[in-house]
Parts: sequence; structure tokens; C-alpha cells
Amino acid sequence: AQRVTQPEKLLSVFKGAPVELKCNYSYSGSPELFWYVQYSRQRLQLLLRHISRESIKGFTADLNKGETSFHLKKPFAQEEDSAMYYCALSSPPRGAGSYQLTFGKGTKLSVIP
Amino acid sequence: NAGVTQTPKFRVLKTGQSMTLLCAQDMNHEYMYWYRQDPGMGLRLIHYSVGEGTTAKGEVPDGYNVSRLKKQNFLLGLESAAPSQTSVYFCASSYGGVSNQPQHFGDGTRLSIL
Repeated sequence: AQRVTQPEKLLSVFKGAPVELKCNYSYSGSPELFWYVQYSRQRLQLLLRHISRESIKGFTADLNKGETSFHLKKPFAQEEDSAMYYCALSSPPRGAGSYQLTFGKGTKLSVIP
Repeated sequence: NAGVTQTPKFRVLKTGQSMTLLCAQDMNHEYMYWYRQDPGMGLRLIHYSVGEGTTAKGEVPDGYNVSRLKKQNFLLGLESAAPSQTSVYFCASSYGGVSNQPQHFGDGTRLSIL
């Protein structure tokens, strides 16, 4: 069965410092991975997906199949980055179902001014 | 566009009471999902639907029922609420059930069972 592990419940960094939110996955197939973010009092929203190879709000994430990781990185943290971050893995359906997202337990990022 | 709208936003129930959470989306999405979010547990899938009239079980379906009578609506029901169902419930929808389609989430419903 697929699994997503985010080892840090809370990560505190100073403004301007680099940020790395860790995500490791366990999956036998070819993974499709996402990062979702939930700002205070806002809904969960997609931050980025590995297939797009994009940089959103200065964040990037590289899929490392050898290490089964999809860490989220930003070179210089900003106060507005403080939020809850979830790593998620998309897995195929059983039968005629839908691809499903398996979420990690989340990491709360706190950027200290 | 409102996106995904959940009703109600907050609710307090007594053990044994029943209630229905409503999710509505205006993006013409085929796929809809119900999750619960608990501290330290992340989001866990309760039920989902791949189209009007269809539903399927997710990771934690026990104690919940769902219905998708209309494409834009996905209802989550608690027949006999239990304190263990105290949680924040999120509805989501996606255009397709393919691997790289993002899910769009509602604001959540905070439910407390006393």
C-alpha cells in the first residue's frame, strides 16, 4: 500500500533562511506527487505538482525516485509562507474507481520575523 | 465562480443525532471526495464519487453514508453521530480521476460531537 511520510510536525525558520519540508513516499508504481498548502483560515489549495516541474511562490520540489523523496524547498523564507503543508501521492483506482490522494500528516511551517 | 462550497461551516451535535453535510461545486467536475482532517493524522478519504449516481468507499468509510444524486452535489451523512466523528470535514472535486489532476477543496465543516 502507498504511504506518505512527513517526518516533521513543525518546522520553524527565520525570515530569509532557506526552507526544506521533507516528504518521503512508499509506492510500487510510478508516483504522481503533489504539495498542498493550507494558510490560516483558508482552504487547502494546490501548491505544485511534480509533473509540472514548476516553481510557485518561490517553492520547488524535485522527485528523487532513488531516495523516494519529494522535498519542498525555498531559498529564502517569507513570513507569508507560514502555513500547513501537505505532501500527497496519487495512486490508481481499484477497478473502475478514481485516482486517490494519500496525504502525509502535514508539516506546520512557522517563519519567524 | 464559488468553486467548492460546503454547508454548514460549523455544527455541534449530540451523540446519536444525525445530520447531513452538503458539498456543492460549480466547476462541472465529475469527481468529488469527502475527507476528514484530524490533528496529527492529515487528511483521510471517507468516500468519493466518480460521477452522478455513483459512490465508493475510501480509507475510513465506517459510520458515514454518501449520495450523489446531482452532478454538482455530494452529500455526506452521519446516521448516528459518535464523539469519534468530531473532526473537520473537507469536500473536494476534480475534473477527472486521472493521476495528475489537482483536487479543489472547500473551506471545511467543523463538526463537534458531544
